[in-house]
Amino acid sequence: GAVVSQHPSWVICKSGTSVKIECRSLDFQATTMFWYRQFPKQSLMLMATSNEGSKATYEQGVEKDKFLINHASLTLSTLTVTSAHPEDSSFYICSARGDREHEQYFGPGTRLTVT
Amino acid sequence: GQNIDQPTEMTATEGAIVQINCTYQTSGFNGLFWYQQHAGEAPTFLSYNVLDGLEEKGRFSSFLSRSKGYSYLLLKELQMKDSASYLCAAMDSNYQLIWGAGTKLIIKP
Repeated sequence: GAVVSQHPSWVICKSGTSVKIECRSLDFQATTMFWYRQFPKQSLMLMATSNEGSKATYEQGVEKDKFLINHASLTLSTLTVTSAHPEDSSFYICSARGDREHEQYFGPGTRLTVT
Repeated sequence: GQNIDQPTEMTATEGAIVQINCTYQTSGFNGLFWYQQHAGEAPTFLSYNVLDGLEEKGRFSSFLSRSKGYSYLLLKELQMKDSASYLCAAMDSNYQLIWGAGTKLIIKP
């Protein structure tokens, strides 16, 4: 199956700093990538959908100026959490869609802890 | 609105069979997905149904009834490693996944 990687797998940062998370599709071209957030014992929450070469579409309640998404190529999307606060601590997961609309592959996730 | 319902938690015994139900309401429909998620890990794909009926894949089977907006995931010969959360997700007319809250499955020896 298709492989999606995320880097870093975990990160600890201080409040007020910014953190960048990378999502890569390793063996296919991803026209669309999705960013999710998951708090403990809760389901996935879609944050935004990004298409290569265009601006991301954010879900209601997600601050686009705080969560910057860049999808500059067909194999890479980045999520930057700006001015992170402890409440941003969460498990961030990306997924990528290839040519087939119903196929979506998940990355392993990035655990962010803001102190 | 769009909605997915599935039980919050289920308990079953090792070696037994368990059925996890899911009902959905979406704007349009392009398939029903089941994912498995172990604690601290990302979801992994289990099954995809877009036509009515039962799809069998080893110990796991998934059923879909589009007219009833209903699906279930059937796990046979349960193993301790099957303890996980099982996420039901329906794909709407925009090919966006609408996620259920997940069913935590606890397997007891």
